[in-house]
Amino acid sequence: GIQVEQSPPDLILQEGANSTLRCNFSDSVNNLQWFHQNPWGQLINLFYIPSGTKQNGRLSATTVATERYSLLYISSSQTTDSGVYFCAVELSVDDMRFGAGTRLTVKP
Amino acid sequence: TAGITQAPTSQILAAGRSMTLRCTQDMRHNAMYWYRQDLGLGLRLIHYSNTAGTTGKGEVPDGYSVSRANTDDFPLTLASAVPSQTSVYFCASSDAGGVDGYTFGSGTRLTVV
Repeated sequence: GIQVEQSPPDLILQEGANSTLRCNFSDSVNNLQWFHQNPWGQLINLFYIPSGTKQNGRLSATTVATERYSLLYISSSQTTDSGVYFCAVELSVDDMRFGAGTRLTVKP
Repeated sequence: TAGITQAPTSQILAAGRSMTLRCTQDMRHNAMYWYRQDLGLGLRLIHYSNTAGTTGKGEVPDGYSVSRANTDDFPLTLASAVPSQTSVYFCASSDAGGVDGYTFGSGTRLTVV
């Protein structure tokens, strides 16, 4: 089956720093999403990005489908950015596979 | 506020008992999903439904059943709970084929003892 690998598994930043999270996947996919799970467990959809680049405030994402990876950029990190970031790839409309996540801790 | 409502938020269940986790959405999304989240394993798909009246098996369906009698509701049933079903369960929905991605509920934390 498809492998979805996220790196790094853990990341600790000082407030104000920038970071890049990576998601590699082993096969062609229909779509890719990035999610943020906050410390209270809530999952929020950040980007729905099969290819190209999207930006939303301090966050942006780039997916290069031909090379099977996606990157999530967080600029000027804030403590509220802490949590786990998941990459999920869509094999079909009813089959989305998640990576194991990157746990981000932003310290004040 | 539009979204997904899950109930209960948490539950302790004796092994061998049955339980139904409830999920309701008010966005008129066609597709709904149940995931379980276990430490170190991310989220894994249990069952899905592309539209009312249809369901399908995901990656880890054993021990679970679902029904989709209407667009809004997608309950998940554990017929005879086992300790390995201790997990956090998330319901999600999507406008299948749309560009908005998935919306998740707040989760149900289930402990089987």
